[in-house]
Amino acid sequence: GESVGLHLPTLSVQEGDNSIINCAYSNSASDYFIWYKQESGKGPQFIIDIRSNMDKRQGQRVTVLLNKTVKHLSLQIAATQPGDSAVYFCAENIPYNNNDMRFGAGTRLTVKP
Amino acid sequence: ETGVTQTPRHLVMGMTNKKSLKCEQHLGHNAMYWYKQSAKKPLELMFVYSLEERVENNSVPSRFSPECPNSSHLFLHLHTLQPEDSALYLCASSPQGALGKLFFGSGTQLSVL
Repeated sequence: GESVGLHLPTLSVQEGDNSIINCAYSNSASDYFIWYKQESGKGPQFIIDIRSNMDKRQGQRVTVLLNKTVKHLSLQIAATQPGDSAVYFCAENIPYNNNDMRFGAGTRLTVKP
Repeated sequence: ETGVTQTPRHLVMGMTNKKSLKCEQHLGHNAMYWYKQSAKKPLELMFVYSLEERVENNSVPSRFSPECPNSSHLFLHLHTLQPEDSALYLCASSPQGALGKLFFGSGTQLSVL
């Protein structure tokens, strides 16, 4: 979802559960997507990427799913840990716009011990 | 540590002051970026430098003036800012050809009084 003012979408999960963070992107021409994680007091950090010719990509404890039909991206985190608490951003590449990455508003993930 | 260092971490300035933000990367990347992150908007791209040449200026007011003296250093010169310019200013770098895969610094939290 999109943020309004200061209020980011939030997701609260119990430690050890799986987390799913969703992102709707805007442009059907977008051909590359990245998930970033931003912890408090730090800049965003790359987590995982996926190109539009794929619908799933797995990393260590993370999986990104891409549904181009409905322009939807999700990030799944397995066995969520307290260190996963952060704001997660999806970003899409717009190829005709200088290949700029356009960022979503972000989702705040809180992991309860 | 991402290899991208920003100074200062915090800056408070009056509307008539002139100050500069500094970014340094030791990753051997060829592209450097300034982003603005405010509470009410997603990450906004301000400037892009590739091989020390400015390749993008996203309609940023002239009170923000970037400088890239070499591929490792990037500055953002600030003068006569407005209170609405208060935000987190993030520097990022990327390898040439590594589309969109940005390495961010921790940012400078700027408050304009």
